[in-house]
Amino acid sequence: NAGVTQTPKFQVLKTGQSMTLQCAQDMNHEYMSWYRQDPGMGLRLIHYSVGAGITDQGEVPNGYNVSRSTTEDFPLRLLSAAPSQTSVYFCASSRNRASNEKLFFGSGTQLSVL
Amino acid sequence: DAKTTQPTSMDCAEGRAANLPCNHSTISGNEYVYWYRQIHSQGPQYIIHGLKNNETNEMASLIITEDRKSSTLILPHATLRDTAVYYCIVSRPGSNYKLTFGKGTLLTVNP
Repeated sequence: NAGVTQTPKFQVLKTGQSMTLQCAQDMNHEYMSWYRQDPGMGLRLIHYSVGAGITDQGEVPNGYNVSRSTTEDFPLRLLSAAPSQTSVYFCASSRNRASNEKLFFGSGTQLSVL
Repeated sequence: DAKTTQPTSMDCAEGRAANLPCNHSTISGNEYVYWYRQIHSQGPQYIIHGLKNNETNEMASLIITEDRKSSTLILPHATLRDTAVYYCIVSRPGSNYKLTFGKGTLLTVNP
């Protein structure tokens, strides 16, 4: 049982390049979300999904796309990377929306956009 | 969701209890208090949560005041591995999957 797996761990992009951050969970969790964390800041919600085929925007969605074709996977796409997207990205999952359910986080992807 | 206020940083001696305060004076009657922590460069980790009553698990205890306007996370015997940023989060029922993380409290456990 690997939990929440994020790949890659590190990535360097040039401005304007595109890439996909991968997130997979093997706990059959319905809910998944993406956060970004900038230096000295808390985590900010980018996008989230409440089930396969259903996604919604969080606090800072601009510049990012998501899709949820399977329960297990929730990739985050940067279509045209900008230096402002330099950050650490965390994926999280939760079994359901019940208040006693925990959020499980991946180990993060450190992204630098030059 | 109600806003929370935490001290920026705290120190604690190894083996002593660490008491981390959180103010949430605008909390609504049905909002839960969650605590997560983030050890350097890792993803956040769930610690504990509560609504009205005090809670205890294998990691920590959560004390919520009777008026629910503040709470305290207690690590009974802090170790060096407890050095981390601790986040106090208030959230409505059914919103645990989209929590709002503030800047938290950096707890440093000293030998």
